[in-house]
Amino acid sequence: GAGVSQTPSNKVTEKGKYVELRCDPISGHTALYWYRQSLGQGPEFLIYFQGTGAADDSGLPNDRFFAVRPEGSVSTLKIQRTERGDSAVYLCASSLTGGGQETQYFGPGTRLLVL
Amino acid sequence: AQSVSQHNHHVILSEAASLELGCNYSYGGTVNLFWYVQYPGQHLQLLLKYFSGDPLVKGIKGFEAEFIKSKFSFNLRKPSVQWSDTAEYFCAVGKGSYIPTFGRGTSLIVHP
Repeated sequence: GAGVSQTPSNKVTEKGKYVELRCDPISGHTALYWYRQSLGQGPEFLIYFQGTGAADDSGLPNDRFFAVRPEGSVSTLKIQRTERGDSAVYLCASSLTGGGQETQYFGPGTRLLVL
Repeated sequence: AQSVSQHNHHVILSEAASLELGCNYSYGGTVNLFWYVQYPGQHLQLLLKYFSGDPLVKGIKGFEAEFIKSKFSFNLRKPSVQWSDTAEYFCAVGKGSYIPTFGRGTSLIVHP
């Protein structure tokens, strides 16, 4: 079956603009995760959804970052008033039911560049 | 703060050499341990994971990892690497139901 997909694959924006990044998880996976990966670093946890609700949003760096998953499938990560420091690869992953022991299936990421 | 350390940031080996990548963590108690790999141009994918039982766990493509509780370590090993093992390797550690924390990764280059 299809894996996790993310769109766009690349996004270039200007400082101060608003961006939306989309994640389409594996069908049937109830858990969805967003990560941010800067150059030379590992994935940094942002938020975890269990169904439609955010089970853990402790990784969101500030209130400019917000994510939704209204129907428990597709998720959108929204970044307001982008800053140059937001430039990174944003990764999405999904897993069957969620929790600390599950294998996460990652998407290809969206490379965000803020000029 | 809880942390995951991968001390080797860059490793360069020749084919057939043995590999050991270090992973140490600062968590106490029972932990969930993972190694993920990202081949060039591909997604992150699971190599192996450990929660309990035999501390020597086998993964895909001939990789294995050993959990040593007293050393807070979960090192990744492969007896004989191939050129196709060139990739970024990430250790991830978590507790209970919490989402695992990833290390910064080790870049492995294998020369043919």
